[in-house]
Amino acid sequence: GENVEQHPSTLSVQEGDSAVIKCTYSDSASNYFPWYKQELGKGPQLIIDIRSNVGEKKDQRIAVTLNKTAKHFSLHITETQPEDSAVYFCAADTGTASKLTFGTGTRLQVTL
Amino acid sequence: DAGITQSPRYKITETGRQVTLMCHQTWSHSYMFWYRQDLGHGLRLIYYSAAADITDKGEVPDGYVVSRSKTENFPLTLESATRSQTSVYFCASSPGGGNEQFFGPGTRLTVL
Repeated sequence: GENVEQHPSTLSVQEGDSAVIKCTYSDSASNYFPWYKQELGKGPQLIIDIRSNVGEKKDQRIAVTLNKTAKHFSLHITETQPEDSAVYFCAADTGTASKLTFGTGTRLQVTL
Repeated sequence: DAGITQSPRYKITETGRQVTLMCHQTWSHSYMFWYRQDLGHGLRLIYYSAAADITDKGEVPDGYVVSRSKTENFPLTLESATRSQTSVYFCASSPGGGNEQFFGPGTRLTVL
């Protein structure tokens, strides 16, 4: 089955700096790669996703890049703000039944 | 209100007791999922359902039972709770076709 690895597990950046979170996946059949943000006490919420026919996608301060050959994808947050502090999860679809396999999460802390 | 809800939000039970966690969605999404979230493991899939009366095991199904008699409801039952089932449980739904999963607010379960 699919295996998704995520690094780093914790990340601390100063406000205004950029943050990068990286994930690798094992199943070459995966085609859908979402990123979720989870705030304390809440369920994960989709912030951006990318499909295998696209190499990069951007939404304001957030961007995701995908390298299908190397089987890795990354989340880039620019001009970080305190409200970006949360746990971020990457995921990859398993190719069947809309299932997702999640990475183990990255706790991002944006300091003033 | 539209969306996905879970109840109860918090539950304390004792080992050996049966407990049922409820999940309800108002979008008529075909797919529904149950995850558990534990530190260091991210989100792990317990069971999922592609439609009413169709369920299948995920990564960590042992000790859990699900049913789906109606499209909008997907209860998760722990038939005889164990301490290792202490966790935060999230329900999610998706329209399918490799699309976004929408998560509920979670249920924090403690088994004493």
